[in-house]
Amino acid sequence: EPEVTQTPSHQVTQMGQEVILRCVPISNHLYFYWYRQILGQKVEFLVSFYNNEISEKSEIFDDQFSVERPDGSNFTLKIRSTKLEDSAMYFCASGDSGFQIGNTIYFGEGSWLTVV
Amino acid sequence: KNQVEQSPQSLIILEGKNCTLQCNYTVSPFSNLRWYKQDTGRGPVSLTIMTFSENTKSNGRYTATLDADTKQSSLHITASQLSDSASYICVVSPQWGSGGGADGLTFGKGTHLIIQP
Repeated sequence: EPEVTQTPSHQVTQMGQEVILRCVPISNHLYFYWYRQILGQKVEFLVSFYNNEISEKSEIFDDQFSVERPDGSNFTLKIRSTKLEDSAMYFCASGDSGFQIGNTIYFGEGSWLTVV
Repeated sequence: KNQVEQSPQSLIILEGKNCTLQCNYTVSPFSNLRWYKQDTGRGPVSLTIMTFSENTKSNGRYTATLDADTKQSSLHITASQLSDSASYICVVSPQWGSGGGADGLTFGKGTHLIIQP
């Protein structure tokens, strides 16, 4: 079974600090996503990435957030000046085509971010 | 606004029993509907994917049904096992370019299923 891997599994950071969450999507996939899930709430879309650029982003994904695919394998989410409300599980996902095609999208195990 | 509503919010059943989880959606036009299983603290794992033309899809003890006319889906679990304890999330995608927003995926809040021995 192919895997999307995420690091770190858990990070605690002080309010105002910057964090970088890393993801290694499945190797032949072209579409990459970040989602977040606040404890006890539903999964929320943050951003999708295709062909080395953002294809769509949600209202949550403001100037505080950025994504990058620095080396052709990693896919990172940077959160600048973290706030308490950024505490959540962040999921990376990847697929070989867009969601509308009906293909399987694979999620990573998530990165727990706790902002104190 | 696209919405996905799931019921019940939580469910407790005895091991070996069957159960059915419900999903109603307002996403239109519709492309596909997915059911995911999410263990506590883990990432969602895909169970089934159905396009608008499919009525049913099985994956082992999991059987999903879809009625695109009434915009309802169900996930039926037979002969439940302790390992089935998890949240089951319904996720709906609109057709490409339909302006569904957020790359098309709308997540439900999930049904929290607990299997008791």
